[in-house]
Amino acid sequence: NAGVTQTPKFRILKIGQSMTLQCAQDMNHNYMYWYRQDPGMGLKLIYYSVGAGITDKGEVPNGYNVSRSTTEDFPLRLELAAPSQTSVYFCASSPATYNSPLHFGNGTRLTVT
Amino acid sequence: KQEVTQIPAALSVPEGENLVLNCSFTDSAIYNLQWFRQDPGKGLTSLLLIQSSQREQTSGRLNASLDKSSGRSTLYIAASQPGDSATYLCAVPYSGGGADGLTFGKGTHLIIQP
Repeated sequence: NAGVTQTPKFRILKIGQSMTLQCAQDMNHNYMYWYRQDPGMGLKLIYYSVGAGITDKGEVPNGYNVSRSTTEDFPLRLELAAPSQTSVYFCASSPATYNSPLHFGNGTRLTVT
Repeated sequence: KQEVTQIPAALSVPEGENLVLNCSFTDSAIYNLQWFRQDPGKGLTSLLLIQSSQREQTSGRLNASLDKSSGRSTLYIAASQPGDSATYLCAVPYSGGGADGLTFGKGTHLIIQP
């Protein structure tokens, strides 16, 4: 039971570089989410998707892009990395039903210097 | 805009004590509320989900209550153990059933002293 898998676990980027954070789930969940977690600030929603081909902005989308070409995968793209994007990024998924728990991956810790 | 507050931010108690963690939210029109546990360096694990029609949910030594009208939820941990040490977060949907995501409190960092 893999659940939600995120890669890489850790990454250091230089300012201005780009990268893609990978997220895959094997539970056939329609809903997928990207959150960032900063110390003392809680989790903030970046982007979400309710199904393949459908994505929408969350609370803090600036500097990020997503795509959802399959049900399983929901990659997060950082273009022109900035120090403000130093954070821990979590991917999560849930079935397309009300009152379903959210399943999280173990996160990617990103440092931009 | 929905806001979620958790009190206390941190709590340290001796093993064996019963304890209560608090969560409050500003918009009572919620479909459900979830409590999560987060261990250091790990993702969040859903512990309990209370539907808006329910008052309580129980799982083992954990009991969560929900009072929508007052915008409050509590997580009760009975007979605490060192393995319960973690950060506990509560979350409610941004809107409706939560398809557009959850808004989280900042968590309560719990330490159970052996």
